[in-house]
Amino acid sequence: QKEVEQNSGPLSVPEGAIASLNCTYSDRGSQSFFWYRQYSGKSPELIMSIYSNGDKEDGRFTAQLNKASQYVSLLIRDSQPSDSATYLCAVNILRSSNTGKLIFGQGTTLQVKP
Amino acid sequence: DARVTQTPRHKVTEMGQEVTMRCQPILGHNTVFWYRQTMMQGLELLAYFRNRAPLDDSGMPKDRFSAEMPDATLATLKIQPSEPRDSAVYFCASGFVGLAGYNEQFFGPGTRLTVL
Repeated sequence: QKEVEQNSGPLSVPEGAIASLNCTYSDRGSQSFFWYRQYSGKSPELIMSIYSNGDKEDGRFTAQLNKASQYVSLLIRDSQPSDSATYLCAVNILRSSNTGKLIFGQGTTLQVKP
Repeated sequence: DARVTQTPRHKVTEMGQEVTMRCQPILGHNTVFWYRQTMMQGLELLAYFRNRAPLDDSGMPKDRFSAEMPDATLATLKIQPSEPRDSAVYFCASGFVGLAGYNEQFFGPGTRLTVL
């Protein structure tokens, strides 16, 4: 089992819809969780951080964390074609919690169709 | 606007040549990471530093790769000799890890390396 798992997609949604991206992790003691967006040919860009159970909203983005079920998700409301990118989930697992090391998933490719 | 910078942005070289990639982390950040990204392997962590000291370089092929941080404003990744299988995008990222453990990482633009 991979430490951080994501469905590679592509996930295709129509413009204006809600895109839901999911990530599961294996280390129950994981401390902090991040979503990065990566456009083709560009570097990963941090878009959300979440540290506590529940929801965290930032504009059209909502991160959801459920430590008991060991998953973290990213919702994108009112999806736009400009949201088309690969979304990487990253987790700071317990054994690396004091080093800052993140474990990245393989990424989910999102396609928003006009 | 604080950003991680990397040079060069693109490098084409021939097998056997030495390649040096440089990174300037964000001022004030105490942790620097080197990653490699390929289509097949995704994002792989090669090495990382805290306060300029290497914490872990187990992700690097040690016979040809080396990473150093000669001062707080410069991290380097060297490949000698380079091989075609080293062709990838190499990213540097920096972050601040304190007692609270919050550890957001910010990526540079990357160096796209092609070894012929």
